[in-house]
Amino acid sequence: KAGVTQTPRYLIKTRGQQVTLSCSPISGHRSVSWYQQTPGQGLQFLFEYFSETQRNKGNFPGRFSGRQFSNSRSEMNVSTLELGDSALYLCASSLVAGGPNEQFFGPGTRLTVL
Amino acid sequence: AQSVTQLDSHVSVSEGTPVLLRCNYSSSYSPSLFWYVQHPNKGLQLLLKYTSAATLVKGINGFEAEFKKSETSFHLTKPSAHMSDAAEYFCVVKGDDYKLSFGAGTTVTVRA
Repeated sequence: KAGVTQTPRYLIKTRGQQVTLSCSPISGHRSVSWYQQTPGQGLQFLFEYFSETQRNKGNFPGRFSGRQFSNSRSEMNVSTLELGDSALYLCASSLVAGGPNEQFFGPGTRLTVL
Repeated sequence: AQSVTQLDSHVSVSEGTPVLLRCNYSSSYSPSLFWYVQHPNKGLQLLLKYTSAATLVKGINGFEAEFKKSETSFHLTKPSAHMSDAAEYFCVVKGDDYKLSFGAGTTVTVRA
């Protein structure tokens, strides 16, 4: 069974631009979560989607948004990019939202903002 | 809200010796606890999880962790370190709000 895939793997943008990252979960998984990883802040939860609905949200500004499609694939969008948005963005999928289910992580998208 | 503290930011061991990575958590309810490993330029891989069954949890690659409620700890151990264990390890708690909270990570170095 294929794992979680994320595209693109690397991205370079300039301040003020916007970016869209994509995540395809493991087949059969209906929950997708997004995380930001930086050397200074570590791993921080962005949001979780289940059945095309946002179920949970972290403490990030409104510039960060996401959505989930009927096939469970998810996209994350960051508008008006700032230098501090440079990070590794990780997507994780699980069978369902909530509960003790473990999450399976993709390899991440490395975003660099110049 | 839940939180996780990994007590060591860096652990260095010799190949073939035991590894101990320490994790304390706080949670209002009975938490689900996980250990993940991240090798350079890779995503996170699940090592093991605790979900209120047996307190001693066995994971992949010879790792195990013991849940101690009285000490609010979930330390990760491996009897004999291998060079391939060099990586960053994250202790993670999922609390009653179902959000994952990550520790700051412990970097493991294995000396030949």
